[in-house]
Amino acid sequence: DAKTTQPTSMDCAEGRAANLPCNHSTISGNEYVYWYRQIHSQGPQYIIHGLKNNETNEMASLIITEDRKSSTLILPHATLRDTAVYYCIVRPQGGSEKLVFGKGTKLTVNP
Amino acid sequence: NAGVTQTPKFQVLKTGQSMTLQCAQDMNHEYMSWYRQDPGMGLRLIHYSVGAGITDQGEVPNGYNVSRSTTEDFPLRLLSAAPSQTSVYFCASNKLGSTDTQYFGPGTRLTVL
Repeated sequence: DAKTTQPTSMDCAEGRAANLPCNHSTISGNEYVYWYRQIHSQGPQYIIHGLKNNETNEMASLIITEDRKSSTLILPHATLRDTAVYYCIVRPQGGSEKLVFGKGTKLTVNP
Repeated sequence: NAGVTQTPKFQVLKTGQSMTLQCAQDMNHEYMSWYRQDPGMGLRLIHYSVGAGITDQGEVPNGYNVSRSTTEDFPLRLLSAAPSQTSVYFCASNKLGSTDTQYFGPGTRLTVL
């Protein structure tokens, strides 16, 4: 079973920041938070991951609460091409554990 | 690098037929896996492998076989196709021993009539 809880859907205006929440209240100390997205039945695409510090890359920022029980993915300037299903996944470090996908959040960016 | 490649992109089978979905990666990744995705659902793990000669079952392994004779290839075999196996199949790979991202192929859309 997925260890995360996400809203089913969200809307965002083009050019505005999209903030996607994720709850992972049972996360263990060695588990990372990963975010992937899937655009219209393409293969999932990695976005970002983090352990406890906030992270930023060219695609997004990841804010993890101090107790690590929740996180927020931020797309700073959403475009229409960011319309996708976004998956929040917790996974132990080491790379040998399977990814467990929930149903994710369907983000729709509106013009 | 081509990344993760999958063939075919589309396939239609009749019930009872067998076939093999191909997956290859050129990143020297030890870990490879197969997922299926049904309409409106998240991905579910079918089988995975942590290296050549080593495979294990995921959440939904029934009706599927895998083998891993080389690091690069991880084929998925449907022994006797059923309509319930109509789905989109994704292959993925990543390097072990790191928090590196898992890379996904473009998918194979399979319809079983």
